[in-house]
Amino acid sequence: AQSVTQLGSHVSVSEGALVLLRCNYSSSVPPYLFWYVQYPNQGLQLLLKYTTGATLVKGINGFEAEFKKSETSFHLTKPSAHMSDAAEYFCAVRTDSGGGADGLTFGKGTHLIIQP
Amino acid sequence: DAGVIQSPRHEVTEMGQEVTLRCKPISGHNSLFWYRQTMMRGLELLIYFNNNVPIDDSGMPEDRFSAKMPNASFSTLKIQPSEPRDSAVYFCASSLPLGNTEAFFGQGTRLTVV
Repeated sequence: AQSVTQLGSHVSVSEGALVLLRCNYSSSVPPYLFWYVQYPNQGLQLLLKYTTGATLVKGINGFEAEFKKSETSFHLTKPSAHMSDAAEYFCAVRTDSGGGADGLTFGKGTHLIIQP
Repeated sequence: DAGVIQSPRHEVTEMGQEVTLRCKPISGHNSLFWYRQTMMRGLELLIYFNNNVPIDDSGMPEDRFSAKMPNASFSTLKIQPSEPRDSAVYFCASSLPLGNTEAFFGQGTRLTVV
């Protein structure tokens, strides 16, 4: 079984400040981890993903995330927030089981608010 | 590729009516997901197909919900009879059948049951 916990349903930061969105996962097998962004009335768009190799992964729009196995975390960061970053952000986990790939399991989401 | 295509984008129906949501996955993607999004419960995985076969339907809320994938390019999610608590945004997504691949989402169908 796999699960994702996102701490903070709402995060508010000032424009230009650091963005930190937290994600912890639970998985009995090595996980593949994803961050998605959702703008109002739209579907989800992939920001970045970790599969294997380098634990610090870079994505679109200046976001990056670091996989920390010892902490079972995959926190999303951006050095300087922009007004256009205001959106809902979802962390997700997927694994390969004996019968193939499992479904993609999402956290509850974090609503990012950017203050001018 | 046009991406994952869902129809309709919006659906308003009366309680008790049958509702059918449709999805066309990205060509070559053998995995297809149906999700439901609500404020209270977030994104819930309803059912997951691999090569047109349902792999995990443990998220389907009750017998009123059914999903089919008759071929690799089409899937439906049906609710019969519909209830007001089914009001939500329903997303279809597709991916390659590998754990290290991301899912691509459609624009969603906003369902309102009155």
